[in-house]
Amino acid sequence: GQQLNQSPQSMFIQEGEDVSMNCTSSSIFNTWLWYKQDPGEGPVLLIALYKAGELTSNGRLTAQFGITRKDSFLNISASIPSDVGIYFCAGRGETSGSRLTFGEGTQLTVNP
Amino acid sequence: DTGVSQDPRHKITKRGQNVTFRCDPISEHNRLYWYRQTLGQGPEFLTYFQNEAQLEKSRLLSDRFSAERPKGSFSTLEIQRTEQGDSAMYLCASSLKGWWGNTEAFFGQGTRLTVV
Repeated sequence: GQQLNQSPQSMFIQEGEDVSMNCTSSSIFNTWLWYKQDPGEGPVLLIALYKAGELTSNGRLTAQFGITRKDSFLNISASIPSDVGIYFCAGRGETSGSRLTFGEGTQLTVNP
Repeated sequence: DTGVSQDPRHKITKRGQNVTFRCDPISEHNRLYWYRQTLGQGPEFLTYFQNEAQLEKSRLLSDRFSAERPKGSFSTLEIQRTEQGDSAMYLCASSLKGWWGNTEAFFGQGTRLTVV
């Protein structure tokens, strides 16, 4: 089945620093999504990408759909304490239908 | 409408008991999904409905699991004869599929199941 490898697993940064995380797939995806999950809550959609090469921003967040359609990255600029949480990539492949495949998550800790 | 609502938020049950969870999607959404998330992992797809029809089930959904969406609105997920390995967060999500395209899925807060 489809698998997503997300890295890094965890990051410890100082407030104000930029952050980058990425996701790679064993197969081609036609949709890449990035979610954030706070403890005890469900994932919240941050950015959706639908075309290879697409670069999309949402405030301090920027994500790109890789040209090979097998990878995506998420950047967070000028991190703030409320950026703390787990960030998940998720994707849909050509034969996935409506199901999403999620990565294992990147735990982000921001020190004030 | 305040989003996808799940009930209960937490459930502790003894091994071998049956449990049922409820999900109320965003009111105009015609698609409803169930995912399971274990500690330290991303959510894993279980099943989804379009209106009342269950269109896809994962191999993760064993015979002990059953999901229904009888009137195309709320959904229930039942686990029979619970096992300790069923301990997880069960997430519900909903989306809208229209003639113009689809929205992405909005997730509820989840039901945390602990089997003791």
